Amino acid sequence: GQQVMQIPQYQHVQEGEDFTTYCNSSTTLSNIQWYKQRPGGHPVFLIQLVKSGEVKKQKRLTFQFGEAKKNSSLHITATQTTDVGTYFCAGNGGNNRLAFGKGNQVVVIP
Amino acid sequence: DGGITQSPKYLFRKEGQNVTLSCEQNLNHDAMYWYRQDPGQGLRLIYYSQIVNDFQKGDIAEGYSVSREKKESFPLTVTSAQKNPTAFYLCASSDRLSGANVLTFGAGSRLTVL
Repeated sequence: GQQVMQIPQYQHVQEGEDFTTYCNSSTTLSNIQWYKQRPGGHPVFLIQLVKSGEVKKQKRLTFQFGEAKKNSSLHITATQTTDVGTYFCAGNGGNNRLAFGKGNQVVVIP
Repeated sequence: DGGITQSPKYLFRKEGQNVTLSCEQNLNHDAMYWYRQDPGQGLRLIYYSQIVNDFQKGDIAEGYSVSREKKESFPLTVTSAQKNPTAFYLCASSDRLSGANVLTFGAGSRLTVL
């Protein structure tokens, strides 16, 4: 079945630095979504990417969808303490069932 | 405000007991989902329903049951057959008609088996 892998699983990031988290699918995706879960909270939708090579920005967050539509990345610049949490990617293989990665847990060091 | 309400937030159960988790949404979404979250395991799909009176098994349906008698409600029963039920359970919904399949999650129910 469809599998989505995220790397790294854990990151410690110094406040003010940049970091990137990656998502790779075993199959071609129709779209990919990113969610953020704060500690003790629930996942909240961030963005959806649909087109091959698509790049979208949300303030300090930049999302990319690979040309082959099998991988994606989230890059955060000038990390703030509010960026702490777990970032999940979820791939849609075309059957409207999302396959979630295991998440990238981010700890921000003040 | 529109959203998804899960109850209870915390639940303790003795081994051998069934327990039902409630999920109600007022977003007028057609599709509803139940996910299980364990530390380091991400989100695993238990059951989902795309329309009333219809539902399908997800990846880890064994030991669980659901019903979808109303569009707004999608309760999950964790039965005594579930070998390791202690987990964080998340209910979600999506608007299938928009085609985007973007999930809105409830706040979750944390089940602990004693």
